[in-house]
Amino acid sequence: AQKITQTQPGMFVQEKEAVTLDCTYDTSDPSYGLFWYKQPSSGEMIFLIYQGSYDQQNATEGRYSLNFQKARKSANLVISASQLGDSAMYFCAMREFPSGAGGTSYGKLTFGQGTILTVHP
Amino acid sequence: DTGVSQNPRHKITKRGQNVTFRCDPISEHNRLYWYRQTLGQGPEFLTYFQNEAQLEKSRLLSDRFSAERPKGSFSTLEIQRTEQGDSAMYLCASSPGTGHHTGELFFGEGSRLTVL
Repeated sequence: AQKITQTQPGMFVQEKEAVTLDCTYDTSDPSYGLFWYKQPSSGEMIFLIYQGSYDQQNATEGRYSLNFQKARKSANLVISASQLGDSAMYFCAMREFPSGAGGTSYGKLTFGQGTILTVHP
Repeated sequence: DTGVSQNPRHKITKRGQNVTFRCDPISEHNRLYWYRQTLGQGPEFLTYFQNEAQLEKSRLLSDRFSAERPKGSFSTLEIQRTEQGDSAMYLCASSPGTGHHTGELFFGEGSRLTVL
């Protein structure tokens, strides 16, 4: 079973508008972390935002916010005031902390299939 | 402050040849990861090092693949007897490990392999 599912292969948004990129995840561990990365055409993966499973508030980083709905196992990325430079591939990822591991994890991330975002002028 | 460095950035080889990629992580990062990414897909985990110890290998890492991190600093990923299915971007990432709140991975720009 897919641990991370991104159902939107591609999304289009007008410059200056907001856009939501969907991500659902599957885990039975009570402790986990959720990440979003941006990958422009240059190929480098750029970390955007992180949400811990025990965090009470949704994470925000500048124009990025994470709409975390734990019961629905969703972690959607919201980009406000889109810019042309936001055009890129976006990946959702999860890090699990298996029970019995002493609350530690070596940080391996499992990625979704990605969503290509195109921002139109 | 330099980021994760990968070399070569691009490699074109003929089927059956051996190739080696190098990754220099951010200094003081004791965790190092290799991922493979094919076109239009997300990165897939290959292997992980903590210092010089290789602690996990994915089933994706066949016998033709070997990774090393001999002194706990840079790492190499070697693919022997390359096949066309090995064509992909090979991404290296590092992490400072414990004490780092979010634990995000810091990625290099990748090494793109094309096997003809």
